[in-house]
Amino acid sequence: EVQLLESGGGLVHPGGSLRLSCAASGFTFSSSAMSWVRQAPGKGLEWVSTINNRGGTDYAASVKGRSTISRDNSKNTVYLQMNSLRAEDTAVYFCAVRGLTFNFDSWGQGTLVTVSS
Amino acid sequence: EIVLTQSPGTLSLSPGERATLSCRASQSISSTYFAWYQQKPGQAPRLLLYGTSTRATGIPDRFSGDGSGTDFTLTISRLEPEDFAVYYCQQYSGPYTFGQGTKLEIK
Repeated sequence: EVQLLESGGGLVHPGGSLRLSCAASGFTFSSSAMSWVRQAPGKGLEWVSTINNRGGTDYAASVKGRSTISRDNSKNTVYLQMNSLRAEDTAVYFCAVRGLTFNFDSWGQGTLVTVSS
Repeated sequence: EIVLTQSPGTLSLSPGERATLSCRASQSISSTYFAWYQQKPGQAPRLLLYGTSTRATGIPDRFSGDGSGTDFTLTISRLEPEDFAVYYCQQYSGPYTFGQGTKLEIK
């Protein structure tokens, strides 16, 4: 069974930084592309970033230049480093396994990031 | 960036009825890279269909998908109480984008 456990969310001041982690199990992590998708309170889903199994990365325009996705295959963990945080970054951040047809197969339960002074 | 527009915004139906949800893309997209998700309050989204019409593991056959080009449809043939939720479409063509969601509520 695929399990994804996000951590690292919390309250941060505007301009601050945060690193999210997602610990994965139940599938071959090193062969899988991993993504972060966020959901602002009461809003819809927004793709944030993806890292493929070779380490190639992609970012939404809204976070590009402020965020870095990375992975540690020895720990079956994917990370999202977020800098220069803004109020509009407030959201639940979900970790997801990206499928072969560029969908999101499995999701974690999410971690809440709140950017506020 | 491709914009996905879902309709209706809210759909009110009764258990046992048929539900038809629509998703329209701002330009033609590949049906291979089109998916539907279900999300219940306080939960993560769940993949329902990928490649437009292929059901994900464990998804019952009352869920079906169709479409091509710019117009895609999710059909739930006979609503069960657990089907009332928010549904999102999603595509990949360059950046990934999601529709704004359709809330399926009990009438």
